[in-house]
Amino acid sequence: GQQLNQSPQSMFIQEGEDVSMNCTSSSIFNTWLWYKQEPGEGPVLLIALYKAGELTSNGRLTAQFGITRKDSFLNISASIPSDVGIYFCAGPPYGGAQKLVFGQGTRLTINP
Amino acid sequence: EAQVTQNPRYLITVTGKKLTVTCSQNMNHEYMSWYRQDPGLGLRQIYYSMNVEVTDKGDVPEGYKVSRKEKRNFPLILESPSPNQTSLYFCASSLTGWAGYTFGSGTRLTVV
Repeated sequence: GQQLNQSPQSMFIQEGEDVSMNCTSSSIFNTWLWYKQEPGEGPVLLIALYKAGELTSNGRLTAQFGITRKDSFLNISASIPSDVGIYFCAGPPYGGAQKLVFGQGTRLTINP
Repeated sequence: EAQVTQNPRYLITVTGKKLTVTCSQNMNHEYMSWYRQDPGLGLRQIYYSMNVEVTDKGDVPEGYKVSRKEKRNFPLILESPSPNQTSLYFCASSLTGWAGYTFGSGTRLTVV
């Protein structure tokens, strides 16, 4: 099946730092979703992007839909301890609206 | 409270012993889906359902069965579990398909 590649796989940062991660695909996606998973829980939707070039914020989180439709970016500003978790990008592959493909995830660890 | 409920949360079983993981949602969602999560691989879709009696294979359906006899329930059946099905399983539901999936808290399955 189609794959989404996330980078980096893990990040170790100091509290207060900004965070950037990205997600790329070899094929076009018409929607990009960003989820966060905390230990012992299922993923929770953070941001949804529907148009190429779109920039959407949710508090300290900002995500962008790449203009090539093959990538997306998530930024977290001024990180705090509760930002710890695994961040996943996801999207329905072109022509497969009922399916949802996930990236491998970026594990974020924050040193207080 | 709107939620997706999976049971059990933890299960240890032996190879070949049939098991069912239940999933129920109280949001009147039409779309439901099962994922498995393995380290380094993210979440991979097993099966999905677009409505009652309408199901289709995801990316990793081998060894699994599903049924959708009622809108709220979407059980995952392992007829003859094998050790390679040891994983963390998530059920999810959505009103509109791929966007805004709500996930359950997960079922950690170990097959010995």
